[in-house]
Amino acid sequence: NAGVMQNPRHLVRRRGQEARLRCSPMKGHSHVYWYRQLPEEGLKFMVYLQKENIIDESGMPKERFSAEFPKEGPSILRIQQVVRGDSAAYFCASSPPPNRNTEAFFGQGTRLTVV
Amino acid sequence: GESVGLHLPTLSVQEGDNSIINCAYSNSASDYFIWYKQESGKGPQFIIDIRSNMDKRQGQRVTVLLNKTVKHLSLQIAATQPGDSAVYFCAESPRTGANNLFFGTGTRLTVIP
Repeated sequence: NAGVMQNPRHLVRRRGQEARLRCSPMKGHSHVYWYRQLPEEGLKFMVYLQKENIIDESGMPKERFSAEFPKEGPSILRIQQVVRGDSAAYFCASSPPPNRNTEAFFGQGTRLTVV
Repeated sequence: GESVGLHLPTLSVQEGDNSIINCAYSNSASDYFIWYKQESGKGPQFIIDIRSNMDKRQGQRVTVLLNKTVKHLSLQIAATQPGDSAVYFCAESPRTGANNLFFGTGTRLTVIP
């Protein structure tokens, strides 16, 4: 049973380009969460998605960032017109439908560098 | 060795000693707390969790203590090993079962052989 798979592991983009980060949840998991981590800091919640639904996007920047989790395929975090401040590690977690005993499993992350 | 979370982000302990990592949380309505271990270049790894209706929970070599009165969480690691060297984060959830977690800054644990 493969864990949460994120790709690419490392991504380099020039300012103004688009970045697409992909996350395949664990088998049987229908809920996905995206977090951002700056160096030497904790993870910051960005967005929580179910298949074809955004449940909570309270942590997403208002502009340039979007996320989706289609019926088929991985969840995508998309950053348009990247800027240097977008450089960070982006982690995806997945879980079954949340209940009192739900644990989220994290992927290994995508490290985005904007040059 | 003992740390005070955000104010002492680095903790060094001798191999075999016990480690205590502390965390202060801010939301008194938080119902669920988790400790994660993050090794360099990797994603957070679940260690142990605790719900607000408990004040102590034990795992293998780890114990989490929750003091809701002062909104304080601690992680105790017994007989610390070199493989325990990592950054440890506490995370809180505003409601039961929610996985949009709020993470603390973290404490870097270094185990000296």
